[in-house]
Amino acid sequence: NAGVTQTPKFQVLKTGQSMTLQCAQDMNHEYMSWYRQDPGMGLRLIHYSVGAGITDQGEVPNGYNVSRSTTEDFPLRLLSAAPSQTSVYFCASSTQAGRIGNTIYFGEGSWLTVV
Amino acid sequence: GQQLNQSPQSMFIQEGEDVSMNCTSSSIFNTWLWYKQDPGEGPVLLIALYKAGELTSNGRLTAQFGITRKDSFLNISASIPSDVGIYFCAGQLPGTDKLIFGTGTRLQVFP
Repeated sequence: NAGVTQTPKFQVLKTGQSMTLQCAQDMNHEYMSWYRQDPGMGLRLIHYSVGAGITDQGEVPNGYNVSRSTTEDFPLRLLSAAPSQTSVYFCASSTQAGRIGNTIYFGEGSWLTVV
Repeated sequence: GQQLNQSPQSMFIQEGEDVSMNCTSSSIFNTWLWYKQDPGEGPVLLIALYKAGELTSNGRLTAQFGITRKDSFLNISASIPSDVGIYFCAGQLPGTDKLIFGTGTRLQVFP
């Protein structure tokens, strides 16, 4: 989990509330992404970014917004939280999008519960 | 969403036994990655495979990238209690850093 920092670690939200999960990396990585992990499932890609100012949707983008104003930060926003968004969220980064041999580093996760 | 078929779903083995798990996909991948996740932590990379047919070892772990580029396996030899955790395979889609994950294999090791 070298260099990828996620906050908060735990959060409880009420339905309809908004919040932002923060992700920062200090490795000057171009590529950053957000995944969610649900019980009994692998990680699923929400949004990703190949560089500052560029973002794109992953497999499960609905209900989430992202922005990439700097290389270091890639926040994930929930505009109106729903119970279906209860999950563990992981941020990941790597040196360069698409290059074979990249190591993709994950943060330690953010546990989100929506009641 | 797309996910890889990973098996077995869970394994309960005795310390010292060997373990084998695999992933299959209908898609071709450029890279196969194997991660281990401990409770309350993010996935940690164990082995990365970059070429079809490649066989790579990392200590007691050995993984292979299938010839068809649609499958991979991971073997753990002489298991120890600290091997306990969830193991995920992940395929990297060509030209991107997008990872498609398997559903995980939960490993429990009994002394």
